[in-house]
Amino acid sequence: GAVVSQHPSWVICKSGTSVKIECRSLDFQATTMFWYRQFPKQSLMLMATSNEGSKATYEQGVEKDKFLINHASLTLSTLTVTSAHPEDSSFYICSASGVLGGEETQYFGPGTRLLVL
Amino acid sequence: SQKIEQNSEALNIQEGKTATLTCNYTNYSPAYLQWYRQDPGRGPVFLLLIRENEKEKRKERLKVTFDTTLKQSLFHITASQPADSATYLCALDRSSNTGKLIFGQGTTLQVKP
Repeated sequence: GAVVSQHPSWVICKSGTSVKIECRSLDFQATTMFWYRQFPKQSLMLMATSNEGSKATYEQGVEKDKFLINHASLTLSTLTVTSAHPEDSSFYICSASGVLGGEETQYFGPGTRLLVL
Repeated sequence: SQKIEQNSEALNIQEGKTATLTCNYTNYSPAYLQWYRQDPGRGPVFLLLIRENEKEKRKERLKVTFDTTLKQSLFHITASQPADSATYLCALDRSSNTGKLIFGQGTTLQVKP
């Protein structure tokens, strides 16, 4: 099956610094990737849609200047959390669309745990 | 607004029994519904997709039903095993086949040996 990887798996940073998270589709090309955020004991919430070669589209309430998304190739999307603050501490998960058994579905990465001190 | 609800209480069952998880949705007419498994500290793993014109779908020990009148999906794991212990999420595509998923809060299943 399709594999999506994320790097790093976890990161601790100081308040005010920026953190970049990479999402890669390892064995398929993904023109569209998605970024989700999950707080403890809550569900995944879609943050933005990353489109290869064009600007990302953000969900309501998500600051595009704070969460910079770049989808430079068909296999890589990056999410940069700029000027991170403790409230940005969360589990960030990316996904990519792929086809399994003739049906399109979402493949999720393993997630990146961000802790901002 | 579109809403998905899963039983937030953990489900504890004995090994070998059938686990049944519920997903209800409102203000929505999805073309399909998906179920995922999520282990602690990991991303969701796709399990099954069921379309609006399908009443039931099976995959090995898993069975999903989809009742568009009741706006409900049931997820069954038969002959449950301790390895099935995880959080199970249902998800709907926000609009037709965009890949933008709305997730329920998940139900944690604990299978005891």
